[in-house]
Amino acid sequence: EAGVVQSPRYKIIEKKQPVAFWCNPISGHNTLYWYRQNLGQGPELLIRYENEEAVDDSQLPKDRFSAERLKGVDSTLKIQPAELGDSAVYLCASSLRGNQPQHFGDGTRLSIL
Amino acid sequence: AQTVTQSQPEMSVQEAETVTLSCTYDTSESDYYLFWYKQPPSRQMILVIRQEAYKQQNATENRFSVNFQKAAKSFSLKISDSQLGDAAMYFCAYRKKGAQKLVFGQGTRLTINP
Repeated sequence: EAGVVQSPRYKIIEKKQPVAFWCNPISGHNTLYWYRQNLGQGPELLIRYENEEAVDDSQLPKDRFSAERLKGVDSTLKIQPAELGDSAVYLCASSLRGNQPQHFGDGTRLSIL
Repeated sequence: AQTVTQSQPEMSVQEAETVTLSCTYDTSESDYYLFWYKQPPSRQMILVIRQEAYKQQNATENRFSVNFQKAAKSFSLKISDSQLGDAAMYFCAYRKKGAQKLVFGQGTRLTINP
């Protein structure tokens, strides 16, 4: 089966610019996660979707971050405007259901100039 | 809040030898899951092994095994017969039973010396 697909793989932007990341989960996986992984640290959950509903977005900085998962399949994570501290790897993961093992994509490495 | 601590930022081992990565965690829950993930330079997090807290028997997956000490809240990963392909960042993670959120440690960078 195809794994979790993320794009782009790398993104370099200037601060204050907008940026968007895209995630296609494994087919049939109802739960989708966005994580942020700062350099030298483990991933931290930003938001979790059950189908198209965001059920845990308590760690998402809502003043500049937004996410959507239309039709309960693909998801987009957006940052507007980006700040220097947003430089990180953004990982997407999916699971069949919330309590099943999570499968991760290759992530998007974001660099803010 | 649950926390996961990996006290070894870096470890190295000779090829074919055995290495143990340490992990401790803090929780007031009695039922939970513990995981070890491998993250190679490709950045994809790959599940290596999983342990259910209510199971006393330590999980094993081929060359990978864990030493789960529930009372001590310790969960170490042993890699036997280390191979060059084992070189990666290794993350210990915790998940409360019934919850979906994974809490990760800071990671240990493992180098395999040929």
